[in-house]
Amino acid sequence: KAGVTQTPRYLIKTRGQQVTLSCSPISGHRSVSWYQQTPGQGLQFLFEYFSETQRNKGNFPGRFSGRQFSNSRSEMNVSTLELGDSALYLCASSLVPGSSGNTIYFGEGSWLTVV
Amino acid sequence: AQTVTQSQPEMSVQEAETVTLSCTYDTSESDYYLFWYKQPPSRQMILVIRQEAYKQQNATENRFSVNFQKAAKSFSLKISDSQLGDAAMYFCAYQATGGGSEKLVFGKGTKLTVNP
Repeated sequence: KAGVTQTPRYLIKTRGQQVTLSCSPISGHRSVSWYQQTPGQGLQFLFEYFSETQRNKGNFPGRFSGRQFSNSRSEMNVSTLELGDSALYLCASSLVPGSSGNTIYFGEGSWLTVV
Repeated sequence: AQTVTQSQPEMSVQEAETVTLSCTYDTSESDYYLFWYKQPPSRQMILVIRQEAYKQQNATENRFSVNFQKAAKSFSLKISDSQLGDAAMYFCAYQATGGGSEKLVFGKGTKLTVNP
């Protein structure tokens, strides 16, 4: 079956613009989480969703937001882009959050460059 | 807050040899999960191995095994019979149990080079 699908894979935006990234989880998976990966800060948790509800949020400014739809697909949005937002954004999905032995599957990420 | 530390930014190993990647973590919890993820140049994070803290037996997956020392809060990954395809970034990650959160706390990673 298809893995976690992220679109777009690559994009370039200008400072001050906004961007929306999309994530389609593995079929049947209902939990989606997002991570930002940069050379300086490494992998940092952004937020996670289950049943269209945000369950947890990382330490990021309010410019970073997300949502989950009834089909479990998720989007994240970054408004008023800054140069420091340039990163690889990874989406991950799992069946149900917190289940014992839950395997979390990652997508290939969306590369965002802010110029 | 939980933290994960990988003290080796880079490691190298000869093909067919064995290499051990180190990871330490800090938590006040008694039950949690620990993971090793591999990130090849494609950037897709791939689960290598998982350890449940309440299980004393070290996890093993084919050529990959861990040395889990709960009291020392240490979780090292041993790769036996290293192959060229093992070259990648390796990340150690911590996940709390309870509360229903999937949040992973990652270390900074270790870049593994496999020499032919």
